[in-house]
Amino acid sequence: EAGVAQSPRYKIIEKRQSVAFWCNPISGHATLYWYQQILGQGPKLLIQFQNNGVVDDSQLPKDRFSAERLKGVDSTLKIQPAKLEDSAVYLCASSFRLAGNADTQYFGPGTRLTVL
Amino acid sequence: GDSVTQMEGPVTLSEEAFLTINCTYTATGYPSLFWYVQYPGEGLQLLLKATKADDKGSNKGFEATYRKETTSFHLEKGSVQVSDSAVYFCALPLQGGSEKLVFGKGTKLTVNP
Repeated sequence: EAGVAQSPRYKIIEKRQSVAFWCNPISGHATLYWYQQILGQGPKLLIQFQNNGVVDDSQLPKDRFSAERLKGVDSTLKIQPAKLEDSAVYLCASSFRLAGNADTQYFGPGTRLTVL
Repeated sequence: GDSVTQMEGPVTLSEEAFLTINCTYTATGYPSLFWYVQYPGEGLQLLLKATKADDKGSNKGFEATYRKETTSFHLEKGSVQVSDSAVYFCALPLQGGSEKLVFGKGTKLTVNP
């Protein structure tokens, strides 16, 4: 079975520019997650979708970050405008079961963002 | 709140050495516990998990036992290989709806031939 796909793999932008990341989860997985992993730290959840609805976005900096999952499949995460501290790897993950039931999360390879 | 604490890295071992990476947790209730591994340049992969107390998760020669008494989930391997060089993350899901994973800071393992 195909894994979680993400693009681009790498992105370099200047501060105050905009950037978007794309994720295609494993087919049939209802739940999709976006994590931010700063160098030397564990991943931190930004937002969780169940189908096309948001379950948890409590740690998403909503003044500059936005995410959507139209049609409950692919998802995009956008940063506008970017700050230096947004430099990190952005990981997408998906799981089969609905939110509320701990299930294995499958991660994509991530997008490494560098903000100059 | 719920959290995990991992031993500080980095850890450097010779091939065939014994590995232990400590992980302790704080949680309400008895959540599932996970170890994820991140190989250089790749995303996280589930290494093993345990869903209840006294369960032992195992995969690729790695083991971890869910110990309720000591709130621990230490990762062990009897004989490491160069290919085990990676960053290892302990994680647990927060209870209460989203089941979002909370990760430790990660422990970088380097195995030398």
